[in-house]
Amino acid sequence: NAGVTQTPKFQVLKTGQSMTLQCAQDMNHNSMYWYRQDPGMGLRLIYYSASEGTTDKGEVPNGYNVSRLNKREFSLRLESAAPSQTSVYFCASSEVVRSSGNTIYFGEGSWLTVV
Amino acid sequence: AQRVTQPEKLLSVFKGAPVELKCNYSYSGSPELFWYVQYSRQRLQLLLRHISRESIKGFTADLNKGETSFHLKKPFAQEEDSAMYYCALRAPGGKLIFGQGTELSVKP
Repeated sequence: NAGVTQTPKFQVLKTGQSMTLQCAQDMNHNSMYWYRQDPGMGLRLIYYSASEGTTDKGEVPNGYNVSRLNKREFSLRLESAAPSQTSVYFCASSEVVRSSGNTIYFGEGSWLTVV
Repeated sequence: AQRVTQPEKLLSVFKGAPVELKCNYSYSGSPELFWYVQYSRQRLQLLLRHISRESIKGFTADLNKGETSFHLKKPFAQEEDSAMYYCALRAPGGKLIFGQGTELSVKP
């Protein structure tokens, strides 16, 4: 059971380059998320998708775009990378279960460095 | 606005000592709160959630609506408890709002 899988795990970019982080989940969840994790800042929501075909901005969407390709996949794109986007990126998915509420499952993280 | 505050960036205790990681929240409705744990360079994992009132790995957390707190407690810390701990609040639409995180270091 893979859960949430994201790629790549590590990436170094030059300022101005573009790249896409891929995420897929095999739990048939409707909701998917992209967070970034920075020291002292916790996890901050970049974008989320409540269901296939919908996306919404989170706390820190500037400089990013997302695509909910289908129910399984939710990609994050940096069009023109900046050093401030150096961070660890986590993809996540969730489903509300009547008996146990809402549980979010996270991927292993993608370490991105922009030089 | 919804907000989660973890006032301590780092908490250092000795093995066997009690530990309490503080979490305060701001939410106008009935909150749904969680604690997540992240061991070194691993993915975040759900530790516990207030609606199930469970105890995981010896940790418990009680929701105090009067004080708007959801502190995480363990009576006797173990070295393997060393990790980053995040308190989180479920916001409308299902997304989670996280606190800044507290690094717990348990010394031998």
